[in-house]
Amino acid sequence: GENVEQHPSTLSVQEGDSAVIKCTYSDSASNYFPWYKQELGKRPQLIIDIRSNVGEKKDQRIAVTLNKTAKHFSLHITETQPEDSAVYFCAASGHQGAQKLVFGQGTRLTINP
Amino acid sequence: EAGVTQFPSHSVIEKGQTVTLRCDPISGHDNLYWYRRVMGKEIKFLLHFVKESKQDESGMPNNRFLAERTGGTYSTLKVQPAELEDSGVYFCASSQGGRGPSSYEQYFGPGTRLTVT
Repeated sequence: GENVEQHPSTLSVQEGDSAVIKCTYSDSASNYFPWYKQELGKRPQLIIDIRSNVGEKKDQRIAVTLNKTAKHFSLHITETQPEDSAVYFCAASGHQGAQKLVFGQGTRLTINP
Repeated sequence: EAGVTQFPSHSVIEKGQTVTLRCDPISGHDNLYWYRRVMGKEIKFLLHFVKESKQDESGMPNNRFLAERTGGTYSTLKVQPAELEDSGVYFCASSQGGRGPSSYEQYFGPGTRLTVT
């Protein structure tokens, strides 16, 4: 079955700097890759997703890149702000997301003022 | 539009007792998923309903877990009898299904924190 590895497990950056979180997946049939942000005590929130027919997608300060050949995808957050502090999860799924999500282990991102 | 809701938010039970968790998906969403996060680890899939049918239950840990979705609306997840290792946060998610690029975006509920003592 699918296996998703996520690094780093913790990341601390200065406010205004960029943060990058990386994930690799094992199943070449996976074609949908969402990212979730979970603030303390709150529900996981979908922040951006990418499908296998696209190499990069941006939404304001966040962007995701996908390398199908290498089976890895990354989340990039620019101009980080204190409210970006949270746990971020990457995930992979088949059938454009109709199947279950297989999650990475999570990255605790801390933005230092 | 109301999001996915779950009840209760917290549950503390003793080993051997029974607990039933409830999930109400977003209205009109055909797909309903249960996930679990144990001890700060990754979120793991339990099962997937399409309407009232179980599409995939490969993540259910054992026969102490029973999920239902009668009528294709809300779902319940019963743990009987509960064991210590069942402690964790149980999340429910739903997606609309059908066609379109957003049809399978999964929206999560706030979770039920289950503690088995």
